[in-house]
Amino acid sequence: DAGITQSPRYKITETGRQVTLMCHQTWSHSYMFWYRQDLGHGLRLIYYSAAADITDKGEVPDGYVVSRSKTENFPLTLESATRSQTSVYFCASSENPGNSNQPQHFGDGTRLSIL
Amino acid sequence: KQEVTQIPAALSVPEGENLVLNCSFTDSAIYNLQWFRQDPGKGLTSLLLIQSSQREQTSGRLNASLDKSSGRSTLYIAASQPGDSATYLCAVGYNNNDMRFGAGTRLTVKP
Repeated sequence: DAGITQSPRYKITETGRQVTLMCHQTWSHSYMFWYRQDLGHGLRLIYYSAAADITDKGEVPDGYVVSRSKTENFPLTLESATRSQTSVYFCASSENPGNSNQPQHFGDGTRLSIL
Repeated sequence: KQEVTQIPAALSVPEGENLVLNCSFTDSAIYNLQWFRQDPGKGLTSLLLIQSSQREQTSGRLNASLDKSSGRSTLYIAASQPGDSATYLCAVGYNNNDMRFGAGTRLTVKP
């Protein structure tokens, strides 16, 4: 089915471990985004990508790494997880944000707990 | 700093009532503004998008307005239904990759 899929939906890991969250979209949207959602902060942008092999930092990039070798995939890696990275992570995509009429479409999120 | 505030944080109304959700933003040099709906355990669903040059958008029972000069947007829901119960998020876009979110208003519509 067309859409944006995140995996896993739930993940529990320990501090210091590396963990990768996956995001896959079937629309061939050029832009993709990673956000985290925390109580009291709303959603905050971690990283975004304008196209394959083009990525850039958002508001809260520290401790995260992204890559985009293919248009449809945009994985987010926590290289050494910390408890402060416990959050709900959302991936989103957009056809062409250069056109201000293009909305962002969101996945269902990954709930990550770091013990 | 570009901040987005939503008031109230929570709202409970009886079915059939018309209601207004508020969003305010500190930087009026916006690109666009989106209203989203979020159901528990789910992602965000875009409801309405207002471009910087527009004053309002309508979809069914929903109407969103934008007043850049005062830094405000409102989401009007007519004839509310229990199925409208969700968290509503306001997001202000400042360019094609910088979108700032409010913390949301949790709406409960009682049968």
